[in-house]
Amino acid sequence: QVQLQESGPGLVKPSETLSLTCTVSGVSVSSGSYYWSWIRQPPGKGLEWIGYVHYSGSTNYNPSLKSRVTISVDTSKNQFSLKVNSVTAADTAVYYCARLGSGDPLYYFMDVWGKGTTVTVSS
Amino acid sequence: DIVMTQSPLSLPVTPGEPASISCRSSQSLLHSDGYNYLDWYLQKPGQSPQILIYMGSNRASGVPDRFSGSGSGTDFTLKISRVEAEDVGVYFCMQALQTRTFGPGTKVDIK
Repeated sequence: QVQLQESGPGLVKPSETLSLTCTVSGVSVSSGSYYWSWIRQPPGKGLEWIGYVHYSGSTNYNPSLKSRVTISVDTSKNQFSLKVNSVTAADTAVYYCARLGSGDPLYYFMDVWGKGTTVTVSS
Repeated sequence: DIVMTQSPLSLPVTPGEPASISCRSSQSLLHSDGYNYLDWYLQKPGQSPQILIYMGSNRASGVPDRFSGSGSGTDFTLKISRVEAEDVGVYFCMQALQTRTFGPGTKVDIK
């Protein structure tokens, strides 16, 4: 059974860097069949896609966040990570990691999600 | 950016009755490959979202057949043929043609 689990600090100070890790079990992040993504949900609001990484290192980011975001993969630990620089209160949200898997025909959608982790930006 | 809208934003339902949610995009989601790049997700209370429908009309693995998706271009519909109590939650449509964007969500609850 494929499972994803987010981890990281629940509180980050303004202007600092938010760092989260998603630990994957039941499948290898090195599988070329998948992409690994981050999505967030501010309190009481809708979902915002942040970006994804492939084990090869290729990435794709939401242009609205691209200047502040880095997503990377650590195949040795079967994890992938998110960094958001220069955070403000607007970055307060529940952060989800998710696997982008494909159906038939080849088309990628978020087929497995983590439970989410709450990050608050506050001094 | 492609802007997604949904209606209604709140939908009280009666178990056993049908329900329908509309999703519209500011640009056509019909790709040159002939497929619509539109997904539906359900976020049950206290849970993370789960995939229901991909490519506009394809049910994801394990999704009950009472859920169906239809539409093309800019207008899409999610239908539940007979609502069950476990279907409550917030339904989001999401376009995957460009940078993924979600609709605002439709909250479905029991009357």
